[in-house]
Formats: sequence, structure tokens, C-alpha cells
Amino acid sequence: GQQLNQSPQSMFIQEGEDVSMNCTSSSIFNTWLWYKQDPGEGPVLLIALYKAGELTSNGRLTAQFGITRKDSFLNISASIPSDVGIYFCAGSGGSNYKLTFGKGTLLTVNP
Amino acid sequence: GAGVSQSPSNKVTEKGKDVELRCDPISGHTALYWYRQSLGQGLEFLIYFQGNSAPDKSGLPSDRFSAERTGGSVSTLTIQRTQQEDSAVYLCASSLYGGELFFGEGSRLTVL
Repeated sequence: GQQLNQSPQSMFIQEGEDVSMNCTSSSIFNTWLWYKQDPGEGPVLLIALYKAGELTSNGRLTAQFGITRKDSFLNISASIPSDVGIYFCAGSGGSNYKLTFGKGTLLTVNP
Repeated sequence: GAGVSQSPSNKVTEKGKDVELRCDPISGHTALYWYRQSLGQGLEFLIYFQGNSAPDKSGLPSDRFSAERTGGSVSTLTIQRTQQEDSAVYLCASSLYGGELFFGEGSRLTVL
């Protein structure tokens, strides 16, 4: 089945720093999504990507759909304390409607 | 409501008991998903409903797990004869079309 490798597993940064995390898959995806999960809550969609090479921004967040369709990255610029949480990548391929999720990146921002 | 609603938010049960978890999706969303999240793990797909089509049950870990979706809206996930390894957060999500899932806050199940 499809597998996603998400890295890093965790990050501990200072407020104001930029952050980068990425996902790679064992197969081609047609859709890449990035979610954030706060403690005790469900994941919330941050950015959706539907086209190889697509680069999309949402405020301080920027995500790209890799040209090979097997990878994606998420950048967060000028981090703030409320950016803490777990970030998940997710993807689906072909007519597969099932999202496969990465294991998440735990982000801690030190004020 | 405006979002996906799940109940109960927390459930503690004894090993061997049956549990039912409920999901009320966003109004108008035709697709409904159940995922399981164990501590420190990603989201494990369990089951998918789309309209009146037969559900995709390929992610259910054993025959103790089942799910129904009545009237194309509310869904119930049932776990029979619960085991300690069933302890996890069960997340429900809905969408208008595949891809952009909107999640509920989850039901945390603890099996003693």
C-alpha cells in the first residue's frame, strides 16, 4: 500500500525562526494536503495541492507539490507560539479517495 | 451544526464490553470517513462512506469493528468485545468530494 515518510518527527525552534518539513511517498499522488492538529482536537486543513509543481501560500505558510508527484514540503515563516502542534501531510493517488497520512511533525516554538 | 460533531468525546470501558461512537457530519457532505489515531501515530484509515455506494471497509482491523451510516448522514462506529489495543482516538471526517476532509474533535476511547 501507499506509504508516506514525514520528516522531521519533531522540531524545537525559537519564535521568529522559519520552519520546513517534508513528506515523500512510495507512489505517485494526485493530491497533497497539509493539516495541523492541536491537542484534544481534530486535524484542521491548512493547504491543499492538486497539481504537480503547484506552490500555494496561506499567510505565513507555503506548501509545494513536488514535480515528481512523490513529495511535498511545508514551510512556516516567522514562527509564533501558536504555531505549536502536530503537522500532518496527507495524500491520495489516482481515483483513490482514501487519504494516506504521514506520522506527523511535532512543532514546539520557544517564545 | 457548522462542523463535524462526534460523541462521546471520551469513553472509558472495560475489556470485553461493546462501544458505539457517533459522528454527525457537515450538512450536505456526501462522504464520511472514520480514522483511528493511536498515541504518537498518524491517522489510520478505517472506513469510508460515499452517498449510497457500498462502503469501503478495507481499513477495519478486525470483524469486531463495524460502521453504519443512516440516511446518508449520521454514522455509528461499533466496536464489539473491546480489547486494550483498541484504545485510541477515533476521528470522523466528512467532505464534499475526496481530498479536503473536515475532521471532528474525535472520541477518545480507553479500554481498561
